[in-house]
Amino acid sequence: NAGVTQTPKFRILKIGQSMTLQCAQDMNHNYMYWYRQDPGMGLKLIYYSVGAGITDKGEVPNGYNVSRSTTEDFPLRLELAAPSQTSVYFCASSYPDRNYGYTFGSGTRLTVV
Amino acid sequence: GQQVMQIPQYQHVQEGEDFTTYCNSSTTLSNIQWYKQRPGGHPVFLIQLVKSGEVKKQKRLTFQFGEAKKNSSLHITATQTTDVGTYFCAGPGGSNYKLTFGKGTLLTVNP
Repeated sequence: NAGVTQTPKFRILKIGQSMTLQCAQDMNHNYMYWYRQDPGMGLKLIYYSVGAGITDKGEVPNGYNVSRSTTEDFPLRLELAAPSQTSVYFCASSYPDRNYGYTFGSGTRLTVV
Repeated sequence: GQQVMQIPQYQHVQEGEDFTTYCNSSTTLSNIQWYKQRPGGHPVFLIQLVKSGEVKKQKRLTFQFGEAKKNSSLHITATQTTDVGTYFCAGPGGSNYKLTFGKGTLLTVNP
C-alpha cells in the first residue's frame, strides 16, 4: 500500500515550458486534491476532484489544468510555466468519511527560471 | 470566503518547555483538522475535532475545539526535538471535503 505517489520529486522548467505533475493513489479514495505551498503561506487549493470524470477549481486555478479519468490518477498540467508557479506542489486524497483526514504525497518541488 | 488564521507564525522553545498554537476561523466550522509537517516533508494528518468543546489527547499533544466551533488550539507538553515542524489547522471551506488551511505555526526546539 503505497498511499499517494507523486512524480517527479524535483523539476526545473524554463519560462513558457509545459509539464505534467503526476499523482496516483492506491487507497480507493474518491476525493483528490492539488495544493501548492509557498514559504510562510500555508497550502492553497488549486483543483480538486470528487470522483472520476469530475473536477472543479479551487482557490488558485489559473495557469493549471487537471483531469481525472480514473479513481487512482489525478495529474496536474502546467501550461506556459511562469516564475510565479515556482512552488512545492502536494497532491492529497481523502475518503468520504471525514474522520480520516487527508493523505498527502511527498510533493514536487518545481522551479521556473 | 472562509479564512483560517493561526498564531503565532513562529515559536522557538527550549526542550522541555510547553508550546501552544491557536487557530481561528472567520466562520463556524463543522469540524477542524490538525496536521504536522516536518521540515522538508509533507503534511501528516494528526486529528479531527467535531464536537463543540471537544478535547482530545495524543500522548503529549492536547487538541481543543472551542464552544462556538470557531477556534481551536494545539498544546504540546514538555516539547522534544522530535516535535519540530510546522503545525497546520484546517477547516472545511464551503464543503466538508474541501479544506482551507491556516498558514501554520513553525515550531523549533532547542535541545
